[in-house]
Amino acid sequence: EAGVAQSPRYKIIEKRQSVAFWCNPISGHATLYWYQQILGQGPKLLIQFQNNGVVDDSQLPKDRFSAERLKGVDSTLKIQPAKLEDSAVYLCASSLDRNREGAKNIQYFGAGTRLSVL
Amino acid sequence: AQSVTQLDSQVPVFEEAPVELRCNYSSSVSVYLFWYVQYPNQGLQLLLKYLSGSTLVKGINGFEAEFNKSQTSFHLRKPSVHISDTAEYFCAVSVARIQGAQKLVFGQGTRLTINP
Repeated sequence: EAGVAQSPRYKIIEKRQSVAFWCNPISGHATLYWYQQILGQGPKLLIQFQNNGVVDDSQLPKDRFSAERLKGVDSTLKIQPAKLEDSAVYLCASSLDRNREGAKNIQYFGAGTRLSVL
Repeated sequence: AQSVTQLDSQVPVFEEAPVELRCNYSSSVSVYLFWYVQYPNQGLQLLLKYLSGSTLVKGINGFEAEFNKSQTSFHLRKPSVHISDTAEYFCAVSVARIQGAQKLVFGQGTRLTINP
């Protein structure tokens, strides 16, 4: 089966510019996650969708970051305006989560988008 | 709140030598534990997981891990490493939510470097 698709793979922008990342999860996966991975650190959850509803966005800097998952499939993460500290790899993941034992589900990750803010 | 500590940020090993990557977690409830591997310029790939049952779990590429509840550890091991095992390894703990969806909390990662 096809994996999680992300685009673009790389993006270089200047601070205060805007940028958007796109993610297409594995077909049939109800839950979609966006993570930020700063160099030398583990991934940090930014936002989690269950179908097209937000489950957790507690760590999303809402003054500059936004995300949507229209129709419960594809998702877009936007940064506006970007800061130097936003330089990171942005990972998208998806999981089935169709039962009440969601904690056991496996998350499948895309290759990520590497963002450099100059 | 759940947290994960990977005790070594970098581990250099010679090819065909054994390796152990250490992971400790903290949680007030039952946990599910995962190890993910990240090869250069790629996303994370699941190596193995502990959900219940036997405390020794086997994963892909010859890796295994042992869940130790009393020591709150989930160390990853491989008896003989290969150059291709050079990668970043992440330990993660899974948190159940009311709605059933999962939240993963990751450690900081351990960079495993295999030298010939």
